Amino acid sequence: NAGVMQNPRHLVRRRGQEARLRCSPMKGHSHVYWYRQLPEEGLKFMVYLQKENIIDESGMPKERFSAEFPKEGPSILRIQQVVRGDSAAYFCASSPREYGGYTFGSGTRLTVV
Amino acid sequence: AQTVTQSQPEMSVQEAETVTLSCTYDTSESDYYLFWYKQPPSRQMILVIRQEAYKQQNATENRFSVNFQKAAKSFSLKISDSQLGDAAMYFCAYRIANYGGSQGNLIFGKGTKLSVKP
Repeated sequence: NAGVMQNPRHLVRRRGQEARLRCSPMKGHSHVYWYRQLPEEGLKFMVYLQKENIIDESGMPKERFSAEFPKEGPSILRIQQVVRGDSAAYFCASSPREYGGYTFGSGTRLTVV
Repeated sequence: AQTVTQSQPEMSVQEAETVTLSCTYDTSESDYYLFWYKQPPSRQMILVIRQEAYKQQNATENRFSVNFQKAAKSFSLKISDSQLGDAAMYFCAYRIANYGGSQGNLIFGKGTKLSVKP
C-alpha cells in the first residue's frame, strides 16, 4: 500500500506563473489536508478537503490559492501568479476518516525565481 | 487561539546518551492530542509519538518517551540511547479532539534541530 504520493518533488516557477501541486492520498483515505512549511518554520495548516468538498480553508490565503479534491484523481493545490513569498515546502496529509491518524507525503518544494 | 512553543532551536547529544526536547502549548480545551514528529533531511514527516490529553500515563515508543504535564501545558520528548539516525528536526504538534466541525488540523511548533555526535 503506497503512502501519500506528492508530485512533483521539486517545482521551479518564474514570478507570475502558475504552480500546480498534486497529492494522491493513501488507498482508502478520503480526507486530505494541505500544509505549508516556510524556511525555519513548522508546518502551517492551509486547507482540509474531502472528496469534492472543501471542509475548512481557513488557512488559505484569500487570493491566488485554490484547492480541489475531485471524485476521481488526486487533490490539487493551485497557486496562480506566484510570487517569491510563495517559495516553501507544501505538504499533503491524508486520513481514512475525519480526525483519523494522519499520514504525510514527502512534500513539494516550490521555488519561485 | 491555540499555540505551540518549542524554545530550543537547536540541541546536540552524544551518541548513546539521552536528550530531552521541550514543548509547551496554550489551549483552553480540556480534550486534545499532542504529537512529536520527526523530519529528517528527506523532508518526510514521521510520527514519533502521540499522547491523548485524557490519559495520565505518559506515552512510550521504544527509545522515545514523553513527559506530559497537563496542568503546566508541557509536553517534552525524551530520546534514550541516541543514535545517529535520530538526527533531524523535531516538531511538537497539537490537535483538538474529536468535536463537530473542521477541527482536525494540526498546530505545529517551529521545531528543534537535533544533532547527534558520534
